[in-house]
Amino acid sequence: DAGITQSPRHKVTETGTPVTLRCHQTENHRYMYWYRQDPGHGLRLIHYSYGVKDTDKGEVSDGYSVSRSKTEDFLLTLESATSSQTSVYFCAISAQGINEKLFFGSGTQLSVL
Amino acid sequence: GDSVTQMEGPVTLSEEAFLTINCTYTATGYPSLFWYVQYPGEGLQLLLKATKADDKGSNKGFEATYRKETTSFHLEKGSVQVSDSAVYFCALSPSNDYKLSFGAGTTVTVRA
Repeated sequence: DAGITQSPRHKVTETGTPVTLRCHQTENHRYMYWYRQDPGHGLRLIHYSYGVKDTDKGEVSDGYSVSRSKTEDFLLTLESATSSQTSVYFCAISAQGINEKLFFGSGTQLSVL
Repeated sequence: GDSVTQMEGPVTLSEEAFLTINCTYTATGYPSLFWYVQYPGEGLQLLLKATKADDKGSNKGFEATYRKETTSFHLEKGSVQVSDSAVYFCALSPSNDYKLSFGAGTTVTVRA
């Protein structure tokens, strides 16, 4: 299995508070992605990175920011959490881009009350 | 924009039954097509892929053929097992992009 660790695995927070989710990889893969999974919507891309300090928006980026200061870490921040951001968040990595295999982390269950 | 549409579930089958999950896509150019599987409590795993028309992806008894004329990539397995119970996602990658677009997922339950 690819070395991907997401933390925390579960988090409950209150509306309006900032939240940061961490994705850590030990594979030295160039590409990293953040997805959210919601019933009826499948997985939707939030942000992705194609290198250190190189990031871009996905289809549901509003309310989220990311940072990648090192190859191995990709952080997702909710500046001011809302109940609509209650979801399961998955990090994924790829060595050579999307046409190569994506490896997924185990997910973070976030509940915003 | 580019997207995939897959059949809604849930799908419930008996062991050794034939499984088909329909997936159609809308895209410009020549996208790559994928099936990912998510077992309970886990992240997604690549099941199979096809990168050009008429390619057949196969893995673990599952098959899917990239049909450009019908813009489809249906997943099939001839004899399912209880261990195939999972959520299956069809996905598409445009030919000149880093991003992967997923369908809504189909939940499959196989009963002994």
